[in-house]
Amino acid sequence: EVQLVESGGDLVEPGGSLRLSCGASGFPFNYAWMSWVRQGPGKGLEWVGRIKSKPDGEITDYPAVVKGRFTISRDDSKSTVYLEMSSLNTEDTAIYYCTADVADETSSLDYWGQGTLVTVSS
Amino acid sequence: DIVMTQTPLSSPVTLGQPASIYCRSSQSPIYRDGNTYLSWLHQRPGQPPRLLIYQVSKRFSGVPDRFSGSGAGTDFTLKISRVEAEDVGVYYCMQATQLYTFGQGTKLEIK
Repeated sequence: EVQLVESGGDLVEPGGSLRLSCGASGFPFNYAWMSWVRQGPGKGLEWVGRIKSKPDGEITDYPAVVKGRFTISRDDSKSTVYLEMSSLNTEDTAIYYCTADVADETSSLDYWGQGTLVTVSS
Repeated sequence: DIVMTQTPLSSPVTLGQPASIYCRSSQSPIYRDGNTYLSWLHQRPGQPPRLLIYQVSKRFSGVPDRFSGSGAGTDFTLKISRVEAEDVGVYYCMQATQLYTFGQGTKLEIK
């Protein structure tokens, strides 16, 4: 059974930093492309970054809204992906979901974790 | 960026009746390999989204066959042949050809 378990969500002040973690199991993690997607309160889904697998160069991509502030990394030995966030502002308040593109065929966001809540407030 | 636009934003439906949700992309999400990376996801209240359909019309593992996807070019449709109570929630289209962008979501509710 595929499992993605996020952790690290917290209340942080504007301008602060936070690191989220996502532990994965039930699939070959080292071949998966991992993304983070967030959902603000009462809002839709917003993709905030992806890291490709090591065989695909561990290339990272980010949308403009977080580029330079968010960094994704992975540790295949721990089947874990990280999201480092800095210069946080109130608009970063959201549930952050870890997602996995596991199957070559789909090229989609196949599996999702339950999410971890990040609140940016003074 | 490819912008995804869904209609309607809200859809009241009767149990056992069909429902359709539409998605239009600002440019064709056809990748250079010839595949169209257009997916549909479903989010039940209080739950994370889950993948239903990928590459326009292929059902993901475990998805009931009452869900079907179709479309080409810039216009795509998700159809539920007979709505069941567990189908309530918000449906999102998503393109994965140029990174990832989502539609605004369509809320499906029972009349």
